[in-house]
Parts: sequence; C-alpha cells; structure tokens
Amino acid sequence: AQSVSQHNHHVILSEAASLELGCNYSYGGTVNLFWYVQYPGQHLQLLLKYFSGDPLVKGIKGFEAEFIKSKFSFNLRKPSVQWSDTAEYFCAVTPSLYNTDKLIFGTGTRLQVFP
Amino acid sequence: NAGVTQTPKFQVLKTGQSMTLQCAQDMNHEYMSWYRQDPGMGLRLIHYSVGAGITDQGEVPNGYNVSRSTTEDFPLRLLSAAPSQTSVYFCASSPDWGVSTGELFFGEGSRLTVL
Repeated sequence: AQSVSQHNHHVILSEAASLELGCNYSYGGTVNLFWYVQYPGQHLQLLLKYFSGDPLVKGIKGFEAEFIKSKFSFNLRKPSVQWSDTAEYFCAVTPSLYNTDKLIFGTGTRLQVFP
Repeated sequence: NAGVTQTPKFQVLKTGQSMTLQCAQDMNHEYMSWYRQDPGMGLRLIHYSVGAGITDQGEVPNGYNVSRSTTEDFPLRLLSAAPSQTSVYFCASSPDWGVSTGELFFGEGSRLTVL
C-alpha cells in the first residue's frame, strides 16, 4: 500500500547533538512534502514544506530538509539540537500534483533532548 | 484571533452513545479536515471538505459522519461510539482548495474516550 514511513520511532539525543529524522514515501509522480511538529501539550504546526525548486528546504528554528527524488526521501535535519526541540515530528505528503485534497501523515518520531 | 477551535476538549462516552465534535474556524478557509491521532499510528485522515456543501472520505471514515453547511463549521459525528474510536481528534483547515500550496492549521485537539 502507498504510505509515508518514518523509521525512527523514538530518538534520544543530548543537547548540541546533530539530528536527522528519516522520511520515505511510496507515492509515484509529483508530491508535495511537509514536516510538522507537535510540542508537548500543543497542537501541530508546520515546520517546513517543499513544493518545487531547490531540494534543500529551510524551515523555522534552524531545521532543514532535503528532498531526494531518487530515494523517495525527505529527511529532516538540524545541526545542533536544543532541549526545546523535544517534540513529536511528523512527515506528511500530498500524493500527487492533481490530487492534493489529502495530506497523508507518517507515524511520527518522538524526539527527546536531554540537557 | 481564534484560528481553529475544537469543542469539547475532553469527552468520555459509553459504547453505543452518539456525540458530535465541533470544529469552527474564523479564517475563511475553504478546506477543512478531521484527523485522529493514535499512538504508533500517527495522524490518519477521517473526512475532509473542500468547501461548503462538499465532503469526502479520507483514510478511516467508517463510523464517522460529517457535514459542511457553512464555511466556518465542520462537525464530526459519531453515531454509535465504539472503544476503537478512543483517540485524540484534530480538526485542521487550509486557505487553499486542497493542500497544494498552503499549510494546515490545526486545532488543539479533542480527547475522546469510549468505555
């Protein structure tokens, strides 16, 4: 079945460590890609998005993601995490350019950052 | 600036009872959707609407009904609650038809427990 996969379910890091969260999708054709974040007790909010152009996308709070079409991947990165980055991170995909009514989410990655 | 407002925030039901989760947005967004969030399963799309009078099914529509009589409101109805519907429900809206160029704005969630 077509899907969005986040293989890292739970990541634990110390402050200042580098972060990379994986996201792979199985939809063919053109896709739009998103990363959302859910801080403890808060609602989901957009971290960054990719529609076209430069495959390296920069978002808020120092996060970036790279779209690699040949690998069907859109991994999220941050060079140096902070305690305040503790949250759950969701990758999301709209399956095709012509069917953009649905935003399909991955299962999420829980990130814990310790001081 | 209320954004997306969900009520109630918490609800406990008995199996077989019915209820409606309310969602209202004051941003004049055409697109609205309902997701459920379950541990290890991420967010799954229940129903969505691209405008008043138009609704469609998402990934997990069984057991849920929706209607969209106004641009502002998108209620989610559980006609006969089941324990499998215990979850956190999120309503989200977008200024675009579909999600191709915009982001989703989420409500704070409604936690439902079905006994």
